[in-house]
Amino acid sequence: EPEVTQTPSHQVTQMGQEVILRCVPISNHLYFYWYRQILGQKVEFLVSFYNNEISEKSEIFDDQFSVERPDGSNFTLKIRSTKLEDSAMYFCAREGQTADTQYFGPGTRLTVL
Amino acid sequence: GQQLNQSPQSMFIQEGEDVSMNCTSSSIFNTWLWYKQDPGEGPVLLIALYKAGELTSNGRLTAQFGITRKDSFLNISASIPSDVGIYFCAGQLNWRGSARQLTFGSGTQLTVLP
Repeated sequence: EPEVTQTPSHQVTQMGQEVILRCVPISNHLYFYWYRQILGQKVEFLVSFYNNEISEKSEIFDDQFSVERPDGSNFTLKIRSTKLEDSAMYFCAREGQTADTQYFGPGTRLTVL
Repeated sequence: GQQLNQSPQSMFIQEGEDVSMNCTSSSIFNTWLWYKQDPGEGPVLLIALYKAGELTSNGRLTAQFGITRKDSFLNISASIPSDVGIYFCAGQLNWRGSARQLTFGSGTQLTVLP
């Protein structure tokens, strides 16, 4: 199945700066997810987004995070004021033809200095 | 939240050997997924399991959904060098359209020696 693409592949930012990570679905899907993976650790769920609204979110997804689909195509994750501990790989995922499967993008490596 | 215990944490095997890894949970899942992740890349879906007791194969990979819905295992037969990577189990509750997020295990790092 076609995957999603993510941009940028690597983002370096200063602590306190805002970053926007982008996910571009190749085909039209309704359900999207953001996950993060701190180096050497497991993948953790951040938020799910259905029909242009947040469906569910984890404890990690605090007020510093937001998601939107501004143009009906790109799906963005914004971190308003980055912290050192936000350094991680961020993955966008979409649901497959079977609702229970999820397909991941290549990720964006975020480095906060 | 739900926790997944994945074991072993790492494995070193000779090329051609079979390998097995498993995940256990304190609570039930309605779907089990197995992913492989190469360094610097996103997880790639290997096998999806939807029903308790289900046994599913994908080439040299075989996975089973435990009867209790609290565990799953993945077997790789006749390992080859490209099997190297980190394997993750993931569970999904997906109860009545909600709780669709995946809960991941901590991963099994597989090294295949020539």
